[in-house]
Amino acid sequence: EDKVVQSPLSLVVHEGDTVTLNCSYEVTNFRSLLWYKQEKKAPTFLFMLTSSGIEKKSGRLSSILDKKELFSILNITATQTGDSAIYLCAVNSNYQLIWGAGTKLIIKP
Amino acid sequence: DAGITQSPRHKVTETGTPVTLRCHQTENHRYMYWYRQDPGHGLRLIHYSYGVKDTDKGEVSDGYSVSRSKTEDFLLTLESATSSQTSVYFCAISEARETQYFGPGTRLLVL
Repeated sequence: EDKVVQSPLSLVVHEGDTVTLNCSYEVTNFRSLLWYKQEKKAPTFLFMLTSSGIEKKSGRLSSILDKKELFSILNITATQTGDSAIYLCAVNSNYQLIWGAGTKLIIKP
Repeated sequence: DAGITQSPRHKVTETGTPVTLRCHQTENHRYMYWYRQDPGHGLRLIHYSYGVKDTDKGEVSDGYSVSRSKTEDFLLTLESATSSQTSVYFCAISEARETQYFGPGTRLLVL
């Protein structure tokens, strides 16, 4: 059965800290891995990763994929209170997205 | 943001009542999806569509039906609502079955 596991489930840090969120997967037919940010509304797309070792970057957020070890990390540097959200990881397997449960990130001022 | 709207945004209904949720897109994307999101379960796929009149079941399709008569509209019907269907429902669209873009969601409460 396809499975996506995110860790930690929740994380509380102070503004300015750097955080690393993890996503591991076991799927039958990997096509891509996607990261989304969900505040108190719909998930919004952050990154799609298809190749190992190539970092995707957007401002203070970056992500990398390791297809050999079957995981991805999402890094956020110099965190701000606006980064508080649930971060969702999904893996495209046979054109269906398999979703992790999410990591709830709280940034304290 | 992708042009996706959902209606209604909030609904309260009674057990046994049929309910229809609407998803409307202006992006002309071929693929459309209905998810429900519940604490402890994350996002779960209910049904999806790969074209007009072409739909298929997801992992939690029991008690739900869908219809897509036009590219832009994807309807989700709860045939006889139950309290277990209280949830937040998201519609998503995709051009090529890769990245999905989400609508604002509908909060449904079944009493």
